[in-house]
Amino acid sequence: EVQLVASGGGLVQPGTSLTLSCAASGFKFGDFAMHWVRQVPGKGLEWVSGISWNRGKSGYADSVKGRFTISRDNAENSLYLQMNSLRVEDTGLYYCAKALFGNWDSISDAFDVWGHGTVVLVSP
Amino acid sequence: DIQVTQSPSSLSASVGDRVTITCRASQDINNYLAWYQQRPGQVPRLLIYAAFTLQSGVPSRFSATRSGTDFTLTITNLQPEDFATYFCQNYYSAPHTFGGGTNLDIK
Repeated sequence: EVQLVASGGGLVQPGTSLTLSCAASGFKFGDFAMHWVRQVPGKGLEWVSGISWNRGKSGYADSVKGRFTISRDNAENSLYLQMNSLRVEDTGLYYCAKALFGNWDSISDAFDVWGHGTVVLVSP
Repeated sequence: DIQVTQSPSSLSASVGDRVTITCRASQDINNYLAWYQQRPGQVPRLLIYAAFTLQSGVPSRFSATRSGTDFTLTITNLQPEDFATYFCQNYYSAPHTFGGGTNLDIK
């Protein structure tokens, strides 16, 4: 079964850092681009960041550029999101998501598998 | 950055109805648009990719079209499980912006 399990969320103060992890199983992780998407409960979806299968390409939302860093360890089947200088507006449920097509050196793809997410709450 | 404007933000319909949801991109994104369904308490589910290609396992009552920068999702013969929130997403270039969502509820 294809599965993504995100972890690492929590309650933190503004200005601090947090690292999210996403453990993948059931597919050849190293062949697919991966992404982070966040959602404030009851609100819409916001794409946060994506990274290609070989780390050759990555991208960020303007709201997190310069503060967040996406990375991956294909040997460990894991995706990460290092979040620095956290703001109250970074609060939300963070999903990791798998790109639909593999072996494609791009992050331009739809997402066919989503993990259940991990909650980040940034509050003074 | 490419903006994606989704309408309507909410929609009421009955079982058996046909509904349409539209997304307009602020510039040409070719066919790089996806549609997702999100039921309460669940993760988003991919319905359509590449503007009009039905994802495996998605019922054929879902369909989509593209005309220039306008993209439309159509659901025919609405079923009870279709009442959910729908999002479009541009994945032509980063940032891969989502539309604001359409909440489809029962009339």
